[in-house]
Amino acid sequence: AAGVIQSPRHLIKEKRETATLKCYPIPRHDTVYWYQQGPGQDPQFLISFYEKMQSDKGSIPDRFSAQQFSDYHSELNMSSLELGDSALYFCASSSTGGTGELFFGEGSRLTVL
Amino acid sequence: DAKTTQPNSMESNEEEPVHLPCNHSTISGTDYIHWYRQLPSQGPEYVIHGLTSNVNNRMASLAIAEDRKSSTLILHRATLRDAAVYYCILRSDNYGQNFVFGPGTRLSVLP
Repeated sequence: AAGVIQSPRHLIKEKRETATLKCYPIPRHDTVYWYQQGPGQDPQFLISFYEKMQSDKGSIPDRFSAQQFSDYHSELNMSSLELGDSALYFCASSSTGGTGELFFGEGSRLTVL
Repeated sequence: DAKTTQPNSMESNEEEPVHLPCNHSTISGTDYIHWYRQLPSQGPEYVIHGLTSNVNNRMASLAIAEDRKSSTLILHRATLRDAAVYYCILRSDNYGQNFVFGPGTRLSVLP
């Protein structure tokens, strides 16, 4: 079965650069979530979208923005990168017609040098 | 978000049952109890969820106290592959509302 696809899997950037992470949800899933997980930490919720509209917002820095497109894929844009942005970024998707279960991708590892 | 409390860590022997407790004394009537786990270097994975009645699936069982202020995730026969961080999360049935992770219970399984 198709899973949540994230790209790129690994990304290395310099401080003050920008980065874009992409997430392709499971087909027919209408909700996408973004989480950030620093080393040794629990996943922290950033933002979610339902039917291309922002539905919930967590501790997402102002330097970050995200959107969900008409094909339901989502992109997380990060600007003015800082060393502390180095983390695993997980995308998850769910379907309102389902059980509410979140399906997570394998994550994108961002390293800021 | 309603808060949950779990032990920081637990240990189990392989092929023995494991009972992972979770306290959620401030749970509201519309909150579902969800369990996710995160294996090393992987994204979180759904385990089970329930509202009031006990639930069983191929991975685990969920036992919910009658007053709903606590629950227990039961792994019937722990394997080495079950070593992970287990998260107990409360979430009302609002789609798009986020899941708040942590801190969970780090389960070690001994051979």
